[in-house]
Amino acid sequence: GAVVSQHPSWVICKSGTSVKIECRSLDFQATTMFWYRQFPKQSLMLMATSNEGSKATYEQGVEKDKFLINHASLTLSTLTVTSAHPEDSSFYICSASVTNTGELFFGEGSRLTVL
Amino acid sequence: GNSVTQMEGPVTLSEEAFLTINCTYTATGYPSLFWYVQYPGEGLQLLLKATKADDKGSNKGFEATYRKETTSFHLEKGSVQVSDSAVYFCALIRAAGNKLTFGGGTRVLVKP
Repeated sequence: GAVVSQHPSWVICKSGTSVKIECRSLDFQATTMFWYRQFPKQSLMLMATSNEGSKATYEQGVEKDKFLINHASLTLSTLTVTSAHPEDSSFYICSASVTNTGELFFGEGSRLTVL
Repeated sequence: GNSVTQMEGPVTLSEEAFLTINCTYTATGYPSLFWYVQYPGEGLQLLLKATKADDKGSNKGFEATYRKETTSFHLEKGSVQVSDSAVYFCALIRAAGNKLTFGGGTRVLVKP
């Protein structure tokens, strides 16, 4: 199947700094990518839908100025957590939609710890 | 709106035991239904899916049947292994879109 890769897998940062997480579709083009957040022992919460070449669509309650999403190419979407705080510590997962089939593939996730 | 409800875990089993994880859904139209599995420290992997009523998805010994009359998609495996220890998520996609709605996840621990 198709491969979606996230980088970094783990990141620890100080409060107030910004962190960028990359999501790449390695062997297919993804018109649409999704960013999820997963709290410990809880389900995935959709944060935003990222469309190549246009602004991301954020779910209700997600701060778009806090979680900046850029989808500059058909194989790369980035999530930047700006001015991170400890409450932003979480597991962030992206998924990419295969353009012609709509099938979704997930990245391995990125664990963010804000000290 | 759409929602997915699955049984809370953790579910602890002995090897070779029978596993059932209940999943029910609420959705408009005719959604597609999925089971995803998340192994420790990894992202989600699609386990199986069903796209219409009475379809049965199967993979790696796991099965689930799309029951529209009971709005359910229960996951079953006849004989679990230690390697099946993971978190299992039931999910749906509405027919008109590709946003996944996830259930809360069920952690399964299989002991030797």
